[in-house]
Amino acid sequence: DSGVTQTPKHLITATGQRVTLRCSPRSGDLSVYWYQQSLDQGLQFLIHYYNGEERAKGNILERFSAQQFPDLHSELNLSSLELGDSALYFCASSTSRDRGLDTGELFFGEGSRLTVL
Amino acid sequence: AQSVTQPDIHITVSEGASLELRCNYSYGATPYLFWYVQSPGQGLQLLLKYFSGDTLVQGIKGFEAEFKRSQSSFNLRKPSVHWSDAAEYFCAVVMGDDKIIFGKGTRLHILP
Repeated sequence: DSGVTQTPKHLITATGQRVTLRCSPRSGDLSVYWYQQSLDQGLQFLIHYYNGEERAKGNILERFSAQQFPDLHSELNLSSLELGDSALYFCASSTSRDRGLDTGELFFGEGSRLTVL
Repeated sequence: AQSVTQPDIHITVSEGASLELRCNYSYGATPYLFWYVQSPGQGLQLLLKYFSGDTLVQGIKGFEAEFKRSQSSFNLRKPSVHWSDAAEYFCAVVMGDDKIIFGKGTRLHILP
């Protein structure tokens, strides 16, 4: 058990709908990362929050948004869903920072599997 | 552009044989380098990391990796694989812009 909790574990929805994925990081971890994992694209970095502030964005679509709340949990919102959004979405947390950068010791949740029909 | 490349999508080795998984990165400075493992249906788990110093690093489960600056590589090795090592392995790099980028992964198959 990594200490990172993601809900829901599975989600099936229809095209055009909107869903929210939730992540609770390990106790004390200030950084939250979101990744999308699909068979053809591998593990794609979406976005990174540190202590409530957005720190970096990756290949995140405009239809997707995220935030980190004062209690440090994070939510990833996916809207106007398309078939291609079907994937496993991972949240990871980290507390290790060196010279202002995360040292990459990420602790991953078990993921939320999204199926868009 | 900053990138991480794992050239082998699948690798098959016999149980007891040695293993080397390749990872190359493209980055202007010396990055922080990592290997993670993902078992089926699970999240990723850290195997080992390189920040600085000794370029040969030891990790969990008998794995090691060697950083070679001249080749921009960080290959993962294990002298003798076990059937339980069958999983997907990801190389990751911390880029200076607060991103942690993963390679596309190498799926390891073990023959009995």
